[in-house]
Amino acid sequence: AQRVTQPEKLLSVFKGAPVELKCNYSYSGSPELFWYVQYSRQRLQLLLRHISRESIKGFTADLNKGETSFHLKKPFAQEEDSAMYYCAPPNDYKLSFGAGTTVTVRA
Amino acid sequence: DVKVTQSSRYLVKRTGEKVFLECVQDMDHENMFWYRQDPGLGLRLIYFSYDVKMKEKGDIPEGYSVSREKKERFSLILESASTNQTSMYLCASSLPTEAFFGQGTRLTVV
Repeated sequence: AQRVTQPEKLLSVFKGAPVELKCNYSYSGSPELFWYVQYSRQRLQLLLRHISRESIKGFTADLNKGETSFHLKKPFAQEEDSAMYYCAPPNDYKLSFGAGTTVTVRA
Repeated sequence: DVKVTQSSRYLVKRTGEKVFLECVQDMDHENMFWYRQDPGLGLRLIYFSYDVKMKEKGDIPEGYSVSREKKERFSLILESASTNQTSMYLCASSLPTEAFFGQGTRLTVV
């Protein structure tokens, strides 16, 4: 089964500091990974996908095949980045998420 | 805009009751999912369906069943609700490129 692991349940950073959320995957092949975000009182929604190689809200995620990682990064965290973040593997019709990381950005 | 709608935002049920959580999507997606979301445990997959009348167990199916009689509707059933099923339940439907979530149903079993 395609699995992802998020080792950090909680992450607290100061506003303006860099933030990195870790995600590791454990399957072979060419992974198409995703990051989802859930802001307070909002629906869980797609933040970015690996294949798009885009930057969304200042976040980027680089696939490192050697380390089997897909860490999410932002150089300068903002208070509005406080949310729950989930890493997700390719949607091979069983869509299982990582355990999630709660990010708190303090002023 | 894709819409995934869950029938209730909040539910309070008694132990032993049969509970139905309904989810409807309007984008003709084949794949649909039910999750529960608990603090510290993240999002855990209960059941999923990749076609009408097709269903498969997710990671925590015990105590739950599902029904998918029509493509747009995926129901989660708690045959006999227990207090440990108090949780936030999320429904989703998906394309290969993106999953779309409902607003969630907060179920409290007393």
